[in-house]
Amino acid sequence: GQQLNQSPQSMFIQEGEDVSMNCTSSSIFNTWLWYKQEPGEGPVLLIALYKAGELTSNGRLTAQFGITRKDSFLNISASIPSDVGIYFCAGPLYGGSQGNLIFGKGTKLSVKP
Amino acid sequence: EAGVAQSPRYKIIEKRQSVAFWCNPISGHATLYWYQQILGQGPKLLIQFQNNGVVDDSQLPKDRFSAERLKGVDSTLKIQPAKLEDSAVYLCASSSVGGLGYGYTFGSGTRLTVV
Repeated sequence: GQQLNQSPQSMFIQEGEDVSMNCTSSSIFNTWLWYKQEPGEGPVLLIALYKAGELTSNGRLTAQFGITRKDSFLNISASIPSDVGIYFCAGPLYGGSQGNLIFGKGTKLSVKP
Repeated sequence: EAGVAQSPRYKIIEKRQSVAFWCNPISGHATLYWYQQILGQGPKLLIQFQNNGVVDDSQLPKDRFSAERLKGVDSTLKIQPAKLEDSAVYLCASSSVGGLGYGYTFGSGTRLTVV
């Protein structure tokens, strides 16, 4: 079945460092979404990507929709302590544009001040 | 704009007991979703409603889980009887019709512990 593979599983970095994480799939996606989840809260959307090759920024965050449509990348520049959380990639469950989402297992980010 | 409201925030029950969770979506959002998030995993879709009709419940364990959305607004998710492996956070989300990405909003979830 469909599966999203995220790497790395966890990262421990120093404040000010840049962060890169990625998400791959064996099937094609038409939309890639990146969420952040903090303890006790639901996921919050960071960036949505709708077109292969698209590069989109949201402040210090930049995400790219891979050309093959089977992967996506998220970069965080100059990390700060409030970047701590779990980052999930997600896409439409059946590869289309409906709202049923499939999520990766997440990348847990820890930032040392 | 008020967010997606869920209650209770926490629930502890014994196995074989029943439990129900409640969700109030963002006003005007026609589509409502229930997700299950087991510790260390991403959320997994259980059921999708469009207004008060079920669009997709293919991943809902129907022998013990049920959900309804009367009048196309609030929704309840029920587990009867609960098993230890049902321990998870149950997230509700809502979106406008066909909405993906921005405007698709999650609640804070209900953390269920089955002992």
